[in-house]
Amino acid sequence: SQQGEEDPQALSIQEGENATMNCSYKTSINNLQWYRQNSGRGLVHLILIRSNEREKHSGRLRVTLDTSKKSSSLLITASRAADTASYFCATDAVGGSYIPTFGRGTSLIVHP
Amino acid sequence: EAQVTQNPRYLITVTGKKLTVTCSQNMNHEYMSWYRQDPGLGLRQIYYSMNVEVTDKGDVPEGYKVSRKEKRNFPLILESPSPNQTSLYFCASSFNPQLNYGYTFGSGTRLTVV
Repeated sequence: SQQGEEDPQALSIQEGENATMNCSYKTSINNLQWYRQNSGRGLVHLILIRSNEREKHSGRLRVTLDTSKKSSSLLITASRAADTASYFCATDAVGGSYIPTFGRGTSLIVHP
Repeated sequence: EAQVTQNPRYLITVTGKKLTVTCSQNMNHEYMSWYRQDPGLGLRQIYYSMNVEVTDKGDVPEGYKVSRKEKRNFPLILESPSPNQTSLYFCASSFNPQLNYGYTFGSGTRLTVV
């Protein structure tokens, strides 16, 4: 079952611009995680935000969580060509198995 | 280096020929999971394990088996592979997601069943 859904499906920007991706989910969560996947490779864990947190930063990444709207956003500031990848949100649902459920991802292309 | 290792990276096989994809982690993680990734469908859970000798079905377990005889290894077994199991498979592990630890993924196994 798909818990999180990312929006937009695809995003194309110029180097130096900010990239914002959104994730909506359906049921209450313990936490929400964002992962990056370079083409055909394994996923890399970027950041985890707990359900009682509203905002978290890691380098050029900023994640927000609005549990009342069941949504999260990932902001990448001052994007670089190396940020080109697919980005997935994954949710750990309350009462679930603690195995994250992934959305279909946002494909980000950053043009040099 | 802390990692999740999957083997093989690429595999082409014929329908019905049993195969095993191995997964090993060196981080003493409790939780391990298998996902398959298909275009337009994202990642879907196949099986997961919360500890040694404890395994549970995910969202798409049909046609797959797993075992967790020791903490570090979590092999995925396809007893009689079919073409609809052609996919990119990922193994992942976590120290303890109940304490809000994220998952470490392997590099993937691209399986083609003809």
